[in-house]
Amino acid sequence: EPEVTQTPSHQVTQMGQEVILRCVPISNHLYFYWYRQILGQKVEFLVSFYNNEISEKSEIFDDQFSVERPDGSNFTLKIRSTKLEDSAMYFCASSDAGVRSNQPQHFGDGTRLSIL
Amino acid sequence: GEDVEQSLFLSVREGDSSVINCTYTDSSSTYLYWYKQEPGAGLQLLTYIFSNMDMKQDQRLTVLLNKKDKHLSLRIADTQTGDSAIYFCAETNTGFQKLVFGTGTRLLVSP
Repeated sequence: EPEVTQTPSHQVTQMGQEVILRCVPISNHLYFYWYRQILGQKVEFLVSFYNNEISEKSEIFDDQFSVERPDGSNFTLKIRSTKLEDSAMYFCASSDAGVRSNQPQHFGDGTRLSIL
Repeated sequence: GEDVEQSLFLSVREGDSSVINCTYTDSSSTYLYWYKQEPGAGLQLLTYIFSNMDMKQDQRLTVLLNKKDKHLSLRIADTQTGDSAIYFCAETNTGFQKLVFGTGTRLLVSP
């Protein structure tokens, strides 16, 4: 069964550094998402991406964050000038249509980001 | 804003039925989902229900939706030790792309 893959599984970064989290969505999917889960808290939506642009973003997704689809297969989340509170599990998801068509979002295994 | 709540913990014996409950506040919720997270793994979609339905069955899984009370439940029949995981309820509506998740319910199945 096709799956969403994320790399790396664990990323350790010094505070203030930039980090790029990578995702390969399911190949025929058109909508892409990032979520995060701070330890012990809920899974929170960050951003959705369609047709090479952001379609929706949360208050969390400020200027520190950016997303990109650099080629036909990868979808990346960049966090600039990381802070301690960015430490979390980051999940990528994809779906082959938007919510109106009820195509469920399929998630990767996540990248655990640890900021020191 | 939208909020989704779940009880944090449920413990059952192998072979029993498990019922995991979820309440939500968004009256515009259109689709409601159940995801399973095993240790060290991602979020696996289990099942989902459209808000104009009140029940959906899929093998050992039964989803019940009470739209009036904004209450969703997941029943797992003949629970196995392999069902031990965290179960997340999530909702969305057609106005948005995002999923809003509950806190997750940790299910522990003992032999």
